[in-house]
Amino acid sequence: TQLLEQSPQFLSIQEGENLTVYCNSSSVFSSLQWYRQEPGEGPVLLVTVVTGGEVKKLKRLTFQFGDARKDSSLHITAAQPGDTGLYLCAGIQGAQKLVFGQGTRLTINP
Amino acid sequence: DAGITQSPRHKVTETGTPVTLRCHQTENHRYMYWYRQDPGHGLRLIHYSYGVKDTDKGEVSDGYSVSRSKTEDFLLTLESATSSQTSVYFCAIGMGQGYTFGSGTRLTVV
Repeated sequence: TQLLEQSPQFLSIQEGENLTVYCNSSSVFSSLQWYRQEPGEGPVLLVTVVTGGEVKKLKRLTFQFGDARKDSSLHITAAQPGDTGLYLCAGIQGAQKLVFGQGTRLTINP
Repeated sequence: DAGITQSPRHKVTETGTPVTLRCHQTENHRYMYWYRQDPGHGLRLIHYSYGVKDTDKGEVSDGYSVSRSKTEDFLLTLESATSSQTSVYFCAIGMGQGYTFGSGTRLTVV
């Protein structure tokens, strides 16, 4: 059983479209992080959200932490081929242990 | 980039042989982690360390051991490799607001 459930697991859309990726849990997290991973490399941190209801923007990417701190979403506006990659959400559990969702593999077609 | 180096980057080994993967950091960070990444599972924590000679198990620790004799080095050993341990292994450092990952070791057990 995955502590953090991401949906969808695969998403293929056309350049210029908008999309939202979801990260849900039945557990409360003190913070949630989003990472992006490219082939042959390790995950790279995009953002950390800490406060329930918090919204953070990173250019065309908008991250939101749920009010109850159990879920988060990543919204991409006007997707570009350069956004292609594996997106992972992660929450801290216990003594600094990072728990990951299974990932969303995003493909943006030109 | 934070200085994390994993070695080797690729390895093919036979079932039943011992294998050691190395993670080296130049950030003098207290916390270090080993994860494995498999399709559909995201990243799962194998072991982590919170100081020299201080280690603890993660969610998928069976068949793995670790050692940390110096702050900068964290070793992951597969005592007797099995095909189910074919995976991509990532080392990470960090805590709280963000974690930094190495580029990974792709291990194939044949």
